[in-house]
Amino acid sequence: DTAVSQTPKYLVTQMGNDKSIKCEQNLGHDTMYWYKQDSKKFLKIMFSYNNKELIINETVPNRFSPKSPDKAHLNLHINSLELGDSAVYFCASSQGSGEHSPLHFGNGTRLTVT
Amino acid sequence: GQNIDQPTEMTATEGAIVQINCTYQTSGFNGLFWYQQHAGEAPTFLSYNVLDGLEEKGRFSSFLSRSKGYSYLLLKELQMKDSASYLCAVVDSNYQLIWGAGTKLIIKP
Repeated sequence: DTAVSQTPKYLVTQMGNDKSIKCEQNLGHDTMYWYKQDSKKFLKIMFSYNNKELIINETVPNRFSPKSPDKAHLNLHINSLELGDSAVYFCASSQGSGEHSPLHFGNGTRLTVT
Repeated sequence: GQNIDQPTEMTATEGAIVQINCTYQTSGFNGLFWYQQHAGEAPTFLSYNVLDGLEEKGRFSSFLSRSKGYSYLLLKELQMKDSASYLCAVVDSNYQLIWGAGTKLIIKP
């Protein structure tokens, strides 16, 4: 009965490869997000989707592309991986657009690019 | 620019009380969140303040002063399991969440 689940938990890959991280939420929330947490522990918003529409798209490289087949899923696809992409990626969801509603996070995907 | 300041690390003793401060300079204010993050785990929601004053929830309380751009999280009767990072996040005028780097709290027996 996990609320927000993302897979895989660990991902080790080489530079130049393409990879995807999947995320699903069973909370019935309207909005889903992808965050990147670097080694200094800052959480940086990458994308959010509300009712299948992109409502935030921060200045992330276009190698990163979110895909939302439905309201309960928001996957993250990364092309041509670089060393600097190594980080922990968190999926999250919230009711509404999140300005008053807390975020519910998945357990994170630790991406290591070698 | 927008900025959230928190102490990097704090140490406290089991059973004691600790206050973790957060000061912010943001373009507008629409609320402040506190999250707890254990090492290697996801952040989990602790509290939300949008009006001035103290919000109490069990052993944890959160205080907000909008005029001072200041909040604190108060943890009472500390337990070893409270060892974690505590993240302050502010909702700005564009309803964007601005995150602090977090305060790592170490609890000693």
